Amino acid sequence: GAVVSQHPSWVICKSGTSVKIECRSLDFQATTMFWYRQFPKQSLMLMATSNEGSKATYEQGVEKDKFLINHASLTLSTLTVTSAHPEDSSFYICSARDTGEVEQYFGPGTRLTVT
Amino acid sequence: GQNIDQPTEMTATEGAIVQINCTYQTSGFNGLFWYQQHAGEAPTFLSYNVLDGLEEKGRFSSFLSRSKGYSYLLLKELQMKDSASYLCAVRDGDYKLSFGAGTTVTVRA
Repeated sequence: GAVVSQHPSWVICKSGTSVKIECRSLDFQATTMFWYRQFPKQSLMLMATSNEGSKATYEQGVEKDKFLINHASLTLSTLTVTSAHPEDSSFYICSARDTGEVEQYFGPGTRLTVT
Repeated sequence: GQNIDQPTEMTATEGAIVQINCTYQTSGFNGLFWYQQHAGEAPTFLSYNVLDGLEEKGRFSSFLSRSKGYSYLLLKELQMKDSASYLCAVRDGDYKLSFGAGTTVTVRA
C-alpha cells in the first residue's frame, strides 16, 4: 500500500520558536495533502488542505499566519508552527491522496511539545 | 457543517462480537470511513462505504444507510490486539474528512 512518512516523529521546542514538520508520500504522487491536529483523548481535527502548487485552504479557526503550509512538490508538504506556545503542544498528523483515489493515507504523526 | 456521533467507550470479551454505531448529519456526503487508531499512532484504514449496504472484510464489516445517516462497524472474533480507538469519518465533496470523537474499545480476556 501507499506510504506516507513524517519527520520528525517527535519534537520538543521552547516557547516562541518555530518548528517545521515534513510530510512525504514515498511511492505515489500526492496531489492533495491534509494536516490534522489531535489533542489527547480527542479526535482528529482538520487544520488545512493543501494542493500542490497552490495556497492551502484553512479550516475555520485555524490561523494561517501561525500554521504555515507549503506544498511545493507532489511528494512533499511542510507545516511550520511559528512562535509556538505550550497550547500548540499536540499530535500533528498529515494524510495524502492522489487524484482518483478513494483513500487518504496517513503519516505516522509528529508529537510536538512546547515548553 | 458535520455532526458525527459515536459512543465513547465499549468493552467486550475476547472472542465476542462488538458493534460500534455512528450517526451523522452532514452538509455533503461522499463516503464514510472507519479507522482504527492505537494510542500515540496514526489512524489505519479499516473500511469504506459509499453505497448502502454491508461491506465485509475478514473479521471487520461495515454497514451504511445513507437515508438514515447511520453506519456501524462490526468486529467479530475479538482479539486483545483489537483494543484501540475506532474512528468514524465522513468525507465531503472536497474529499475532506470529518471525524467523530472515536470509540475506545477495550477487549478483556
